[in-house]
Amino acid sequence: QKEVEQNSGPLSVPEGAIASLNCTYSDRGSQSFFWYRQYSGKSPELIMSIYSNGDKEDGRFTAQLNKASQYVSLLIRDSQPSDSATYLCAVMGMIADKLIFGTGTRLQVFP
Amino acid sequence: DVKVTQSSRYLVKRTGEKVFLECVQDMDHENMFWYRQDPGLGLRLIYFSYDVKMKEKGDIPEGYSVSREKKERFSLILESASTNQTSMYLCASSFRLAGERDNEQFFGPGTRLTVL
Repeated sequence: QKEVEQNSGPLSVPEGAIASLNCTYSDRGSQSFFWYRQYSGKSPELIMSIYSNGDKEDGRFTAQLNKASQYVSLLIRDSQPSDSATYLCAVMGMIADKLIFGTGTRLQVFP
Repeated sequence: DVKVTQSSRYLVKRTGEKVFLECVQDMDHENMFWYRQDPGLGLRLIYFSYDVKMKEKGDIPEGYSVSREKKERFSLILESASTNQTSMYLCASSFRLAGERDNEQFFGPGTRLTVL
């Protein structure tokens, strides 16, 4: 079992819809969770971090964490074509400061 | 703003050459990391460093070494480049863990290395 799992996609949503990206992780001791966005040919860019169970909202983005289910998700409201990218889920593992990355979900937002 | 810079965006080298990739950050971060990213395999950690002159192996250190002589600079060295080291190389930095916060990793623009 991979330590951080994501559906590779592509996830295709129409402009204006809500995009829902999901991630599961295997280490129950994980405390810090991150979502990065990566455009083709570019480096990952941090968009959200979440540390406590529940929801965290930042503009059109909402991160959701459920530690009991070992599940973290990212919702993008009012999706725009400019949101089309690969979204990487990252989890702080047992070794402090070291991130474990999923392989990413490719999101396509079509007009 | 955090700024992480890498010495080259694109690099072409020949098999057997010694290759140096340099990374510099300007946010006084303690931690620095080197990853490689390949299609279908995601980001894989090569080496990381918690402090000057300290280094720790990541998941795929074979064929690589690192150097951290100054806090702001972390170098990745390919002792004898091989074609299977053709990849995108990404450097990142972060603060040392302070509770559960303030330890996000910030990435440089990446170096796309091709080994012929």
